[in-house]
Amino acid sequence: EVQLVESGGGVVRPGGSLRLSCAASGFTFDDYGMSWVRQAPGKGLEWVSGINWNGGSTGYADSVKGRFTISRDNAKNSLYLQMNSLRAEDTALYHCARSYYCSSTSCLVGAFDIWGQGTMVTVSS
Amino acid sequence: DIQMTQSPSTLSASVGDRVTITCRASQSISSWLAWYQQKPGKAPKLLIYKASSLESGVPSRFSGSGSGTEFTLTISSLQPDDFATYYCQQYNSYSLFGGGTKVEIK
Repeated sequence: EVQLVESGGGVVRPGGSLRLSCAASGFTFDDYGMSWVRQAPGKGLEWVSGINWNGGSTGYADSVKGRFTISRDNAKNSLYLQMNSLRAEDTALYHCARSYYCSSTSCLVGAFDIWGQGTMVTVSS
Repeated sequence: DIQMTQSPSTLSASVGDRVTITCRASQSISSWLAWYQQKPGKAPKLLIYKASSLESGVPSRFSGSGSGTEFTLTISSLQPDDFATYYCQQYNSYSLFGGGTKVEIK
């Protein structure tokens, strides 16, 4: 079964750090670009960051640039998001998602055909 | 930066109605647009990619059209399972989602 399972969420104080993980199974992980997408409680979807198949190309939303770092370990079929200098507005459910239909051969971002159920991050004092 | 404007934000409709949701990009994104359906407590589900291509397993009552800056998602005959929130997503330049359209029971 094709599956993405996120972990690492929790409650953290403003200014703190957290590292999210996403474990992939059921498909050849290093064939695909991957992204993190978040959803604040009661709000819409926000793309956070994307990475191509080998980690050679990454991208970030302006809201997280310089604070978050996306990475992947293809040997472990895993995607990561290192989040530093966290703010209250980073509170959200964080999903990892697979880019299947891409606009370029590098496939940093595409249409997301597989999503995980998410891990909740709460930034509060 | 590209902006995505989705309308309406809320739509009230009845079973059997034809429903249309619009998504406008602030600059051309060619056909690099996707549509998703999301139900409460669930991850989004891909419906349409590349503006008009139907994802495998998605009912044919869903269709997408448009290119450049204006796009539409149409549900030809609304079914009880279709009451949900719908999002557009551009993936021409990084990615950005529209604000969402909640389809409610009239």
